[in-house]
Amino acid sequence: DADVTQTPRNRITKTGKRIMLECSQTKGHDRMYWYRQDPGLGLRLIYYSFDVKDINKGEISDGYSVSRQAQAKFSLSLESAIPNQTALYFCATSDMGQSSTDTQYFGPGTRLTVL
Amino acid sequence: GQSLEQPSEVTAVEGAIVQINCTYQTSGFYGLSWYQQHDGGAPTFLSYNALDGLEETGRFSSFLSRSDSYGYLLLQELQMKDSASYFCAVRDQGYSTLTFGKGTMLLVSP
Repeated sequence: DADVTQTPRNRITKTGKRIMLECSQTKGHDRMYWYRQDPGLGLRLIYYSFDVKDINKGEISDGYSVSRQAQAKFSLSLESAIPNQTALYFCATSDMGQSSTDTQYFGPGTRLTVL
Repeated sequence: GQSLEQPSEVTAVEGAIVQINCTYQTSGFYGLSWYQQHDGGAPTFLSYNALDGLEETGRFSSFLSRSDSYGYLLLQELQMKDSASYFCAVRDQGYSTLTFGKGTMLLVSP
């Protein structure tokens, strides 16, 4: 079984709809991240959380919100989706305590299309 | 803030050696990482340099020069399966998050 899972894997929605992307991990890591990937723009950080009570904005948090329901679960919400939020979204985890490199482990991604 | 520059595309043939460069500007620096991504799949960690010098992991090596704010990923004995996008990323000591470059697409031809 995959260590980092994301649901749904693909989603098509309409402008103005609320949508939630979910991430679960079995790696036991404290740190979780949400990234957005657009062609030619690399991975950009949306939000990150270093433990259950910690939520931080990343580079491009406008239009997004997150919830850290448990150590293993970190969800990303788009309150009112707009077409320029069409992108590939990745969740990732890391554990500084076990890795001096702070290696990040990525989920398989969610491809979101907003019409 | 952080910014990273890497070439958008590199082409090479099977069996060859290719070097992907990365230059960075950061307000604080803790280390340079490299990730590989195949065709929209999950990025996977390749290597990490915190100190100057070369780190070798099988066919892949990564180099860092902190004084030049420069690093590279060296791929040897290229195989078709190495065709992928490669991202450099810097870790900011203050925030402990990664900032990624825009990625280099490596195309390996027979």
